[in-house]
Amino acid sequence: DAEITQSPRHKITETGRQVTLACHQTWNHNNMFWYRQDLGHGLRLIHYSYGVQDTNKGEVSDGYSVSRSNTEDLPLTLESAASSQTSVYFCASSPGGRKYFGPGTRLTVT
Amino acid sequence: SQQGEEDPQALSIQEGENATMNCSYKTSINNLQWYRQNSGRGLVHLILIRSNEREKHSGRLRVTLDTSKKSSSLLITASRAADTASYFCATDAGGNMLTFGGGTRLMVKP
Repeated sequence: DAEITQSPRHKITETGRQVTLACHQTWNHNNMFWYRQDLGHGLRLIHYSYGVQDTNKGEVSDGYSVSRSNTEDLPLTLESAASSQTSVYFCASSPGGRKYFGPGTRLTVT
Repeated sequence: SQQGEEDPQALSIQEGENATMNCSYKTSINNLQWYRQNSGRGLVHLILIRSNEREKHSGRLRVTLDTSKKSSSLLITASRAADTASYFCATDAGGNMLTFGGGTRLMVKP
């Protein structure tokens, strides 16, 4: 069955380190998204992509970057992790309309 | 910023009762979607209602949309303990990007 996976599921890192969160989907969806979820804020859009070599900034993109070299993957990189980036990160893919979410990555920056 | 705002923030009911959650939003939309999130898990798509639709049903779920009032409601009939989760409305104003509200935490007591 097609699916969307995220790795790692949990990550603890130190302030200032570069961190990459992986997202892989097997639906062959062109559209992929990264959200972060924090208490009191719901989900907020970080970056999104409509296809290979396409990336766009979302509402809270500062300190994050993405790259899209193939249809299946959209890795999210924190260039220099900050404590404010402690959060749960969700990746999603979509053919248009509904979205399919991954299980999430809980990131703690100490 | 959040496009959708859910009301109430928390709801506790007995099994068998109906649960109603409301969502208000600020701008014109293409569609509005509802998602469920069980504790510690990713979001699961429940239903999508387009801006030209007023009501939609899916099993025990009934969603209404009033674009003149910029509001939507999700009704879960004959609730079960397994319905315990957080429920989010999300609006698509174009570009297949979703803006989420803060969610309603539903507790269904057996």
